[in-house]
Amino acid sequence: DADVTQTPRNRITKTGKRIMLECSQTKGHDRMYWYRQDPGLGLRLIYYSFDVKDINKGEISDGYSVSRQAQAKFSLSLESAIPNQTALYFCATSDDRSYEQYFGPGTRLTVT
Amino acid sequence: GENVEQHPSTLSVQEGDSAVIKCTYSDSASNYFPWYKQELGKRPQLIIDIRSNVGEKKDQRIAVTLNKTAKHFSLHITETQPEDSAVYFCAASRAGGGNKLTFGTGTQLKVEL
Repeated sequence: DADVTQTPRNRITKTGKRIMLECSQTKGHDRMYWYRQDPGLGLRLIYYSFDVKDINKGEISDGYSVSRQAQAKFSLSLESAIPNQTALYFCATSDDRSYEQYFGPGTRLTVT
Repeated sequence: GENVEQHPSTLSVQEGDSAVIKCTYSDSASNYFPWYKQELGKRPQLIIDIRSNVGEKKDQRIAVTLNKTAKHFSLHITETQPEDSAVYFCAASRAGGGNKLTFGTGTQLKVEL
């Protein structure tokens, strides 16, 4: 689904580095989400945003921050990356009438 | 907060057999229960969902059942095919929760020829 894109698709970084993952969508949805996926743990919500002025923490927000630059853009930052943040990160969107979430292709992040 | 448990973590079936994946949830206010399929290296995609005012929903070979009293719901896949091999995630969301989903830990389904 090219309507939700993520950059970069793969990233290797070192402990202590700051890194930003970006998400863009052309679906016109107000709601955007960041998840991380770890083997055996499923998808866990990091942050979510209902609109540009509304940012909310999810269940695992420690060590992460986000920025909603526009309706279509939602960025996830790791201020000081650590190895246990190595994971697959997904952005998702939904509109305010439907519960269905549309996922981006994912970013595989490795912190060494 | 909501907690969703999913079983089994892996499931292997012969082609043509049925597969059943079960989930339980903790928040009685949850009212929306989707199932996502994630093929290897791909993004999760919605395959079927059910709301709390419905007990069962079918879409061709897949069906979902919901038992609100017991707080559990299940995915049923009949006449399994090799292309059904994937990881399946259940999830739950409550009214007023802003479409926020709590996911189960996933089931790796393998359909063997």
